[in-house]
Amino acid sequence: KQEVTQIPAALSVPEGENLVLNCSFTDSAIYNLQWFRQDPGKGLTSLLLIQSSQREQTSGRLNASLDKSSGRSTLYIAASQPGDSATYLCAVMGANSKLTFGKGITLSVRP
Amino acid sequence: DGGITQSPKYLFRKEGQNVTLSCEQNLNHDAMYWYRQDPGQGLRLIYYSQIVNDFQKGDIAEGYSVSREKKESFPLTVTSAQKNPTAFYLCASSNRQVRSGANVLTFGAGSRLTVL
Repeated sequence: KQEVTQIPAALSVPEGENLVLNCSFTDSAIYNLQWFRQDPGKGLTSLLLIQSSQREQTSGRLNASLDKSSGRSTLYIAASQPGDSATYLCAVMGANSKLTFGKGITLSVRP
Repeated sequence: DGGITQSPKYLFRKEGQNVTLSCEQNLNHDAMYWYRQDPGQGLRLIYYSQIVNDFQKGDIAEGYSVSREKKESFPLTVTSAQKNPTAFYLCASSNRQVRSGANVLTFGAGSRLTVL
């Protein structure tokens, strides 16, 4: 059974800092990995999707990498801003089209 | 604009009552999903459907039922058999390009169910 882990559960950083959010998964037989953002009481917004054949994806200040063999992904946020404060979740898509989520990392960026 | 609409946003229910949460999408996606989110638990899959008139149980299907009579709609019924139904429920959809790995999941805004 696929398990996705995100550690730590919460992170607080000062504005302007570059930061890395980590995600690990136990079964490397995945079709893709997605990073999502969730604001309190809201749905999830897809940030980046990395297909299994890809190593990384970039969107603006965000860069996500994928290392299938080691079961790891990182989300890099450059020059963090208070508006980046949210919960970030990673999820992996398996062969049965089921998406397995981590519990998320709650990020707080202090002005 | 294409997207997923969930209703109602907030719902209160008395114990012993069944309630149905609506999920409608106009993205022409084949696959639809229902997740439950609890504090500290992350998202857990309840049911999913890859095509009309077909659906599969997820990890926590007990006490829930679904139907998929139309491509656009995937309603979730929370039955009285669900022992702890108070939660935030999220519906999602994706295209069926699973094997290419390109199927981005799109989520609705969620429905918060509270059992009184």
